[in-house]
Amino acid sequence: QAVVTQEPSLTVSPGGTVTLTCGFSTGAVASGHLPFWFQQKPGQAPRTLIYDSNNKYSWTPARFSGSLLGGKAALTLSGAQPEDEADYYCLLFYDNVAVFGGGTHLTVF
Amino acid sequence: EMQLVESGGGLVQPGGSLRLSCAASGFSFSSHWMYWVRQAPGKGLEWVSKIDYDSTLTHYADSAKGRFTISRDNAKNTLYLRMDSLRVDDTALYYCVGVRPGCWGQGTLVTVSS
Repeated sequence: QAVVTQEPSLTVSPGGTVTLTCGFSTGAVASGHLPFWFQQKPGQAPRTLIYDSNNKYSWTPARFSGSLLGGKAALTLSGAQPEDEADYYCLLFYDNVAVFGGGTHLTVF
Repeated sequence: EMQLVESGGGLVQPGGSLRLSCAASGFSFSSHWMYWVRQAPGKGLEWVSKIDYDSTLTHYADSAKGRFTISRDNAKNTLYLRMDSLRVDDTALYYCVGVRPGCWGQGTLVTVSS
């Protein structure tokens, strides 16, 4: 089964910008992989932030954006807030399978 | 407001069975693929299974193939996961998810232990 890779951990300063990436062991991530991004805080269920690479939900803070960048899916946080400290997971679809990345723990410090 | 409420988790011995249920409300349940996702203690998210709108198509992660069965009842707005031949490594919080609508339940804990 294919592997989806994410940075294990990242740190961003309050007000700063950080990009989390989501790679695919089979090759470049494409729009057809329908990348999703999720945020999970300790003790809570995940929350969906981005669908189909770059589309936001009504509840997605404007400071989050999704894109395809250099063969990977990317989640960019511009203007980090303390409440953005969380685990972030991407999800890709291929060949009737869905695969989550291992997650990125984002520290805002 | 979209809501998913799981039930049916609990403690079961290795080799045992459980059936999870998920009651949906606040969105058009019958219009969306539905998913089960699990999270072992202290670990990341793992996709388990998915089912299309009218139960024509079902897909499973390798870890669930041959042991788990996903189903749905659109008249009752309910998703199910039948889990047989449970193993210790199936211990996890099981989430019901409407991926595209962006809706997650709070999860139901399944513990497999002797």
